[in-house]
Amino acid sequence: GDSVTQMEGPVTLSEEAFLTINCTYTATGYPSLFWYVQYPGEGLQLLLKATKADDKGSNKGFEATYRKETTSFHLEKGSVQVSDSAVYFCALSEFTGGGNKLTFGTGTQLKVEL
Amino acid sequence: EAGVTQFPSHSVIEKGQTVTLRCDPISGHDNLYWYRRVMGKEIKFLLHFVKESKQDESGMPNNRFLAERTGGTYSTLKVQPAELEDSGVYFCASSRLGAGSYNEQFFGPGTRLTVL
Repeated sequence: GDSVTQMEGPVTLSEEAFLTINCTYTATGYPSLFWYVQYPGEGLQLLLKATKADDKGSNKGFEATYRKETTSFHLEKGSVQVSDSAVYFCALSEFTGGGNKLTFGTGTQLKVEL
Repeated sequence: EAGVTQFPSHSVIEKGQTVTLRCDPISGHDNLYWYRRVMGKEIKFLLHFVKESKQDESGMPNNRFLAERTGGTYSTLKVQPAELEDSGVYFCASSRLGAGSYNEQFFGPGTRLTVL
């Protein structure tokens, strides 16, 4: 079955540091890939997505590129802020029967300090 | 537009008791999903409704879990009887119905269930 592996957390960075959170996946078909973010006390929010190979998803300074050859979708941001502190989830989905159930990784907690 | 809401936000019950979680999706969203995150592990799919019909319930762990979506609006997830391993955060998500393309799932804040 499908699966997603992402780096263990927590990750602690100083403000303005560079962020990389690694994510690799296993899928039977040709999935769409996502990063979701959960801020404290809130639900998951879609951060960015990519639906085909070599697509780059981007939002709020975050980027991730769909790499089919390495089955990866690493999340990057050039300069993190304290407000980026949250839990980040890598996920994939394959369209089935009118819906797209998501397969998630374990989540990576990010803490950004001044 | 109101987002996905879940009730309660927290529930603490004893082993063997019954708990019912509720999810109100965004109006007009025919897809409704339930997910669960246990002990800081990955978020796992439980089931998927299209309107009032169960489209996929392959993630339901056992027959102690019963999900309903009467009238195709809100959904309930009942756990009866609850066991210790059922503790976790239960998320609900909704999306529009799509044909072959990804429609963004909007998540609720989750219900944190603790079974003692």
